[in-house]
Amino acid sequence: AQTVTQSQPEMSVQEAETVTLSCTYDTSESDYYLFWYKQPPSRQMILVIRQEAYKQQNATENRFSVNFQKAAKSFSLKISDSQLGDAAMYFCAYRRGKETSGSRLTFGEGTQLTVNP
Amino acid sequence: GAGVSQSPSNKVTEKGKDVELRCDPISGHTALYWYRQSLGQGLEFLIYFQGNSAPDKSGLPSDRFSAERTGGSVSTLTIQRTQQEDSAVYLCASSLRDRGSYNEQFFGPGTRLTVL
Repeated sequence: AQTVTQSQPEMSVQEAETVTLSCTYDTSESDYYLFWYKQPPSRQMILVIRQEAYKQQNATENRFSVNFQKAAKSFSLKISDSQLGDAAMYFCAYRRGKETSGSRLTFGEGTQLTVNP
Repeated sequence: GAGVSQSPSNKVTEKGKDVELRCDPISGHTALYWYRQSLGQGLEFLIYFQGNSAPDKSGLPSDRFSAERTGGSVSTLTIQRTQQEDSAVYLCASSLRDRGSYNEQFFGPGTRLTVL
């Protein structure tokens, strides 16, 4: 079974600075996706960024980027130029590969990010 | 277009009562998932529907939990004889399909269930 671990229950960052959220995972599969989701107080889960395991290049989306270390099974999220609107719970998630049906998401425990003005 | 909608937004019930939670997926999405988010925890998978195939119920925590998906669209999650440990946010997600090229799961706003 796949597991996802986020070892930082809470993190804080000053506005305009950079913060990195950590995530490790365990799987025996070679084809999979990794995600970071953001959940603000509204409870709406919002996809921030995704990474295909077969891609060596780290994914980036504007101020958000990942450091994907496949051998180490590590998948961290870097938020640059942090903004007040980035404050939320962040979840790391795993999904089996595209040729697998029933590909539910497996989530970590979450990291609560506070952005200080 | 409209996103995934869920109703009710909040539900308070007494221990032992039955509850029904509703999910309306995005039109045309054939895959539908239910997840549960207990206080301070990540999401755990409950059940998955794909088209007319038999649902994957492997995540349901007990036989008090059941779900249906009528006409390949709306889904209802039913919890019978609710217990206090059922208190959680129940999230629904849908995607275009479940295999082949990557298909993003879009989440609804969830139903917060409180069992007194």
